[in-house]
Amino acid sequence: VIWMTQSPSLLSASTGDRVIISCRMSQGISSYLAWYQQKPGKAPELLIYAASTLQSGVPSRFSGSGSGTDFTLTISCLQSEDFATYYCQQYYSFPLTFGGGTKVEIK
Amino acid sequence: QLQLQESGPGLVKPSETLSLTCTVSGGSISSSSYYWGWIRQPPGKGLEWIGSIYYSGSTYYNPSLKSRVTISVDTSKNQFSLKLSSVTAADTAVYYCARGFDQPGAFDIWGQGTMVTVSS
Repeated sequence: VIWMTQSPSLLSASTGDRVIISCRMSQGISSYLAWYQQKPGKAPELLIYAASTLQSGVPSRFSGSGSGTDFTLTISCLQSEDFATYYCQQYYSFPLTFGGGTKVEIK
Repeated sequence: QLQLQESGPGLVKPSETLSLTCTVSGGSISSSSYYWGWIRQPPGKGLEWIGSIYYSGSTYYNPSLKSRVTISVDTSKNQFSLKLSSVTAADTAVYYCARGFDQPGAFDIWGQGTMVTVSS
């Protein structure tokens, strides 16, 4: 099983801030990493896959980087609609696993 | 536009079997490019992958649930299903079905989710 450590678990930020969320793997996963955004009462939405490929329709202020064991999700200029919980997910091997989540709240 | 919709009982008694179905509309479940998965989320907690199935019937399960989980596909109905046996209160969660791509699976399309409560 590949374990994932996502940090921070809670992030307080203001509109316009640059936000960085990290995800660390217990073993290398190449670039088989996805990032999701989830708002209360809604299903997760795919933001980024293959570590850095932006899903169609996702604003360009979102970006992903990393490979191997260390990955980051960056929101370059936080908008009001970006306050949500973010999850990383590895799909290098079964069982598929998710990080514990990062809640981005209004400072 | 592909859509997924979960259906099934919202309340299941302890020790019984939870059964959910995901209906795929706007596209074929038989595409060789995709997997189909179940993910759950207990109230106030994170996401847990339950298992995935390929249209051919090949299945992959979370080892933590493997002894209790069965996922099947019905290509004639464009549906796939989840059965989770011997449920307890710990299985109370929102259950999502989703389409996996970039094998074996980042999930790009999700159902809206269905809340299942285990209680007598």
